[in-house]
Amino acid sequence: DAGITQSPRHKVTETGTPVTLRCHQTENHRYMYWYRQDPGHGLRLIHYSYGVKDTDKGEVSDGYSVSRSKTEDFLLTLESATSSQTSVYFCAISNKAGGTVGNEQFFGPGTRLTVL
Amino acid sequence: KQEVTQIPAALSVPEGENLVLNCSFTDSAIYNLQWFRQDPGKGLTSLLLIQSSQREQTSGRLNASLDKSSGRSTLYIAASQPGDSATYLCAVSYNTNAGKSTFGDGTTLTVKP
Repeated sequence: DAGITQSPRHKVTETGTPVTLRCHQTENHRYMYWYRQDPGHGLRLIHYSYGVKDTDKGEVSDGYSVSRSKTEDFLLTLESATSSQTSVYFCAISNKAGGTVGNEQFFGPGTRLTVL
Repeated sequence: KQEVTQIPAALSVPEGENLVLNCSFTDSAIYNLQWFRQDPGKGLTSLLLIQSSQREQTSGRLNASLDKSSGRSTLYIAASQPGDSATYLCAVSYNTNAGKSTFGDGTTLTVKP
């Protein structure tokens, strides 16, 4: 299994509070992604990174920010959590760029976030 | 907008049966198609990656095929076992910026002993 950990694994917070989720990898992969998974919507890309300090938005980036100061860590921050951000968040990594042949993604175990 | 569809949404079979899961996509200009398995409350486990130049990939009892012209992929599971019970998702990546794979909603498989 790819060496990907996410922390925390579970979190309950209140509306309006900031929340930071962490993804840590030991594979030295260049590309990292944050997804959210919701019933009826499947997996949707929030943000991704193509290198240290290089990030870009996915399809559902509003209300989220990311940072990547080291190859192994990719942080997802909810600046002011809302109930609509209650979801399961997954981090993924790959060693090739999306849209290139051979881009295989590996997923972390997920973080279940509940915003009350 | 690229769309990925998986039908049926749920499937129940007796143990030992061979079965096929379907994945269809609207844009045939794909680069890769990846099949995943997801157990309840867990992350996604990569099963097979098919590159655009390939027609199929095999791993153990699993065989995935790709037909770009018709916009379809199938995942064949031979001699199904109760341990195969899970949700199976397919994801398609195109020639876009990094990370923009499109996922299907998955097929939830139950294999009855």
